[in-house]
Amino acid sequence: ETGVTQTPRHLVMGMTNKKSLKCEQHLGHNAMYWYKQSAKKPLELMFVYNFKEQTENNSVPSRFSPECPNSSHLFLHLHTLQPEDSALYLCASSQAYTGTGDTEAFFGQGTRLTVV
Amino acid sequence: RKEVEQDPGPFNVPEGATVAFNCTYSNSASQSFFWYRQDCRKEPKLLMSVYSSGNEDGRFTAQLNRASQYISLLIRDSKLSDSATYLCVVLDRGSTLGRLYFGRGTQLTVWP
Repeated sequence: ETGVTQTPRHLVMGMTNKKSLKCEQHLGHNAMYWYKQSAKKPLELMFVYNFKEQTENNSVPSRFSPECPNSSHLFLHLHTLQPEDSALYLCASSQAYTGTGDTEAFFGQGTRLTVV
Repeated sequence: RKEVEQDPGPFNVPEGATVAFNCTYSNSASQSFFWYRQDCRKEPKLLMSVYSSGNEDGRFTAQLNRASQYISLLIRDSKLSDSATYLCVVLDRGSTLGRLYFGRGTQLTVWP
């Protein structure tokens, strides 16, 4: 069973809708990530949060808005999306460097998003 | 140049075959290295970490060559259940905080 939980697992939304994806990790990690994976394409990093602070925005359009209220929760707020935004959205967490080394990333099961 | 580059595949091998995947990384200061496995329409899962001395886990052997900035994964006695995409992952540490770089993945199909 994964220590990273994402909801919802599936989401269909219209281009004018507003929705949010939720990620929760129970591993005590201090870094969380949003990735996008389109069909038959590699993982694309979207955002990185370390210690609740956003440390990376990988040129993501503003229609995607992340929020990290604490080190255990990560949201991705969606508004006015386009059909090409349909993809698998994966959340991951890891223990970023604290002087004793980094750990690997653990992924949630993803939210499969379809924009119609 | 991409941070992490992998053999694109796909690799199609019969059961029982030995198959090797290669990966190169561009940052000589990279800190940690991993192989992940991703099944179709599922999330990536850690297969094994890669250590400088090389490490083995059952039928899987990972090697790291820091001088050549090269990582490999060897799968012996392939099983049907090994069919998946294998992702090479490198962790770079900037000032103090790490950042993961994923390769595009190598697709493996094991046939009976």
